[in-house]
Amino acid sequence: GAGVSQSPRYKVAKRGQDVALRCDPISGHVSLFWYQQALGQGPEFLTYFQNEAQLDKSGLPSDRFFAERPEGSVSTLKIQRTQQEDSAVYLCASSPAPSNEQFFGPGTRLTVL
Amino acid sequence: GQNIDQPTEMTATEGAIVQINCTYQTSGFNGLFWYQQHAGEAPTFLSYNVLDGLEEKGRFSSFLSRSKGYSYLLLKELQMKDSASYLCAVRDQDQAGTALIFGKGTTLSVSS
Repeated sequence: GAGVSQSPRYKVAKRGQDVALRCDPISGHVSLFWYQQALGQGPEFLTYFQNEAQLDKSGLPSDRFFAERPEGSVSTLKIQRTQQEDSAVYLCASSPAPSNEQFFGPGTRLTVL
Repeated sequence: GQNIDQPTEMTATEGAIVQINCTYQTSGFNGLFWYQQHAGEAPTFLSYNVLDGLEEKGRFSSFLSRSKGYSYLLLKELQMKDSASYLCAVRDQDQAGTALIFGKGTTLSVSS
């Protein structure tokens, strides 16, 4: 069956540009997570959705980061006025319930020049 | 604060056994996960421990001691394809109840 998919896989942005990263979770999965993974580091939590409700956004590094999941399935992570320190792999994960195993997508590698 | 420690790098040879240790200090605890991540790919689930003891799954086993804040991942009969980063992660009940806190990962290199 289809796993978690993310698009684009790679994104190069000029500093100051806005970007939008898409996540298609596994069908029927209630929970959706966004993580940021810098080179040589483990993933760091950004935000969490249960269906369409954003229950935790404590990991978003600044107000330039915004995430939504309006219909409880596809999610978009938007970064406004990108900066070089935003360069990282952005991972999306979904799970059928809040406390189950998380299934990760392949990530979007964002490079800000 | 939240802290998860694991060695940065390890090396081993094909056919050998390797143990990757992980220690954690978190404000809450609701399970410990091990993920495998090949370069440029998604982390894939390996194991989950919430009670003390050893969980065995084929060539991979994971151990947990909650009182010591300690876990290890044991890989037996190593194969070249086991060369990857191994991520230890704790689900901290106090942080969203469901988000995972990851260590920096241990890069394992298996040589012939």
